Amino acid sequence: AQSVTQPDIHITVSEGASLELRCNYSYGATPYLFWYVQSPGQGLQLLLKYFSGDTLVQGIKGFEAEFKRSQSSFNLRKPSVHWSDAAEYFCAVVTSGTYKYIFGTGTRLKVLA
Amino acid sequence: EAQVTQNPRYLITVTGKKLTVTCSQNMNHEYMSWYRQDPGLGLRQIYYSMNVEVTDKGDVPEGYKVSRKEKRNFPLILESPSPNQTSLYFCASSLTGGIGTQYFGPGTRLLVL
Repeated sequence: AQSVTQPDIHITVSEGASLELRCNYSYGATPYLFWYVQSPGQGLQLLLKYFSGDTLVQGIKGFEAEFKRSQSSFNLRKPSVHWSDAAEYFCAVVTSGTYKYIFGTGTRLKVLA
Repeated sequence: EAQVTQNPRYLITVTGKKLTVTCSQNMNHEYMSWYRQDPGLGLRQIYYSMNVEVTDKGDVPEGYKVSRKEKRNFPLILESPSPNQTSLYFCASSLTGGIGTQYFGPGTRLLVL
């Protein structure tokens, strides 16, 4: 069965530091992959997505993610974190053919001033 | 303004009392979906709909019903709510069958006593 794993429940970084959030998936075919962000008390907003082609994808708010098929990973990165990036981040995969979404359990990011 | 609306935003009910949470989108999206969010479990898909009169089960459909009679509306029905359905519920929609950007509603917080 398809699954998404976000191994880090909480991550704390200092403002201005770089960030990498990990996401691993289990899926037989090439997946459709997403990163969403949820600010406190809000719904979710799409940061970026990968379907095919260039394995490095750029998103909003200065985020990028790299698809690595050999490692079944889709890690999210940002070179310099801002205090407003404090939120919960979810990786998700869509199973092609059914369009059923599988979300990871999320990583909560705390940013220190 | 393009948006997904949910009503009510907050609801306290008792075990066994049928309830409906409404979801409406004004973007003419084909795909709509319901999720529940629980601490430590991330988002789990309850049901989704590819178009009018087309619905399918997500990962956690037990105890829920949906209908899609009109393109813009996708209500979630709990025929006999139980305490384990206490959760935060999100509705989402996207233009293209699941692989497009999902736009999320603000959420409905449900407490079943």
